Amino acid sequence: QITLKESGPTLVKPTQTVTLTCTFSGFSLTTSGVAVGWIRQPPGKALEWLALIYWDDRRYSPSLRSRLTITKDTSKNQVVLTMTNMDPVDTATYYCTRSVTPAYGPDYFDSWGQGTLVTVSS
Amino acid sequence: SYELTQPPSVSVSPGQTASITCSGDKLRDKYVCWYQQRPGQSPVLVIHEDTKRPSGIPERFSGSNSGNTATLTISGTQAMDEADYYCQVWDSSTVVFGGGTKLSVL
Repeated sequence: QITLKESGPTLVKPTQTVTLTCTFSGFSLTTSGVAVGWIRQPPGKALEWLALIYWDDRRYSPSLRSRLTITKDTSKNQVVLTMTNMDPVDTATYYCTRSVTPAYGPDYFDSWGQGTLVTVSS
Repeated sequence: SYELTQPPSVSVSPGQTASITCSGDKLRDKYVCWYQQRPGQSPVLVIHEDTKRPSGIPERFSGSNSGNTATLTISGTQAMDEADYYCQVWDSSTVVFGGGTKLSVL
């Protein structure tokens, strides 16, 4: 059974850096074609992709690249997302997801965590 | 940057067929995924690679992609299908989501 769970602060102040941790089970990031990503959703708004990390690669949203860092600890089955210079517009539910690469097509997100709401306010 | 356009809302009567569209430039050249998000829940993958249903997704969900438009079709729509639906593609090694469509089953 595949599970992903997000953890981190629920409230951060503007200009602070937030660190979110995804702890997963049921799969390994050392497997070819498997990745873990972060996707966020502001209240009442659409999904927005942030970052993705594979065993040997990582990708970022172009619009947020300068503020994001994604890392992994395969021994702990964890992926960490760091976002700097937080602003109230970054208030959102942050989801951790598993991505898989099929035989011919591009990756898709087949498993999602429950999400964690991060509020940015002074 | 690449953009995907979805209608904000679609309504359907129970038992009827719902069609949710997703438009983008030369969308036929990309593979489209669809995600269902029920109120207060995390998204769930319902279609990947334009037409493929993951295990556990009912057969009433189907997808197509032609020209500049991809379509998620729900046949025999049920009350439990009321949710937000998002299309998603890859473009230049980045992930793009549509703005989402709220499906109301009235």
